[in-house]
Amino acid sequence: GAGVSQTPSNKVTEKGKYVELRCDPISGHTALYWYRQSLGQGPEFLIYFQGTGAADDSGLPNDRFFAVRPEGSVSTLKIQRTERGDSAVYLCASSFQGTGELFFGEGSRLTVL
Amino acid sequence: GQQVMQIPQYQHVQEGEDFTTYCNSSTTLSNIQWYKQRPGGHPVFLIQLVKSGEVKKQKRLTFQFGEAKKNSSLHITATQTTDVGTYFCAGPMNTGFQKLVFGTGTRLLVSP
Repeated sequence: GAGVSQTPSNKVTEKGKYVELRCDPISGHTALYWYRQSLGQGPEFLIYFQGTGAADDSGLPNDRFFAVRPEGSVSTLKIQRTERGDSAVYLCASSFQGTGELFFGEGSRLTVL
Repeated sequence: GQQVMQIPQYQHVQEGEDFTTYCNSSTTLSNIQWYKQRPGGHPVFLIQLVKSGEVKKQKRLTFQFGEAKKNSSLHITATQTTDVGTYFCAGPMNTGFQKLVFGTGTRLLVSP
């Protein structure tokens, strides 16, 4: 596609529920990133993929968070047993081979009630 | 851990006034990137600086990378209402070139 696509754009869930957020990067971009942005804050790094493998997952806050990219293109961020503190905008970005400019999607706004 | 701070947090200017935001890293950076995020939008890449002391211009925007590669600045000459948004600097963590750490951001409001 023309840009990074994220779905859903908005997700409201209840505490304790499971959530999946999807990211479709720019075609040909081998690097894919997930960031989390809370209101008034800068994007916070979560995980980085180069191809199919998670090259760096050191930003995932705990084991309730997991992300996959099975075919080296689309990625899914999975959050188990959601907590109110997980509420934020989850941003996906891709880049060509992991260097230089990041192209961000519009984000998925997650609200945990 | 590595921290990237920006000042000011917020600035409100009249259209036509100049604006500067400063970015300071706790560690030396191999490069620095700048992004702009409009209200309700997503970060959009503006520029990357790599060399010590580098200065780059984009129309009314001037970007500078410090000699020690630990600080950077973005200066906007004669602001316009279209400049409204939050400006973030971002630098790679020491342990991974691809892992960008974003600054705290400077929110700019421009009144006509």
